[in-house]
Amino acid sequence: GAVVSQHPSRVICKSGTSVKIECRSLDFQATTMFWYRQFPKQSLMLMATSNEGSKATYEQGVEKDKFLINHASLTLSTLTVTSAHPEDSSFYICSARPQENEAFFGQGTRLTVV
Amino acid sequence: GQNIDQPTEMTATEGAIVQINCTYQTSGFNGLFWYQQHAGEAPTFLSYNVLDGLEEKGRFSSFLSRSKGYSYLLLKELQMKDSASYLCAVSPRAGGTSYGKLTFGQGTILTVHP
Repeated sequence: GAVVSQHPSRVICKSGTSVKIECRSLDFQATTMFWYRQFPKQSLMLMATSNEGSKATYEQGVEKDKFLINHASLTLSTLTVTSAHPEDSSFYICSARPQENEAFFGQGTRLTVV
Repeated sequence: GQNIDQPTEMTATEGAIVQINCTYQTSGFNGLFWYQQHAGEAPTFLSYNVLDGLEEKGRFSSFLSRSKGYSYLLLKELQMKDSASYLCAVSPRAGGTSYGKLTFGQGTILTVHP
């Protein structure tokens, strides 16, 4: 079946540095991918929609200059957390919907900013 | 706007049956998903309903009533490994870049006891 792969699964970075997270669709082309964030004991909140070949669409309250999204090909979207701070520590997950009745998630990335 | 409600927590006994309810009020509707999420892991796809009725898949079944804005996930023959968070998510109507975007409920933490 369709698989979405996310890398890295876990990253620790220093405050003020940037971190890049990759999301790949392994056996299908995804013109659109989605980035979610999940804080402990909370549900997934959509951050942005990644659009291949055009600008990402950000949800209200999400800083586009802080969370840079690039969707340069039909199988890869990247999320870069710039100038990370401890409050950015969270679980980041990407997803794609290859067809009507399926929506798959990557493995998630646990980001810890120290 | 979108509003999706699920119970916060449920408990059940190994071997029993449990039903997790989800009610939604959304500005559009293009399907409802159920996911299972173990602590620290990404959500795993369980089911998808877009038409009224019951979808059965092994020990798991999902029901949808669009007129009532209501769905449930039924888990039979519960096992200890079924202890997890269960997420109800709605896909809005509309195509284009909204296709694939999901709005999640807060999740129901299910604990299965021996």
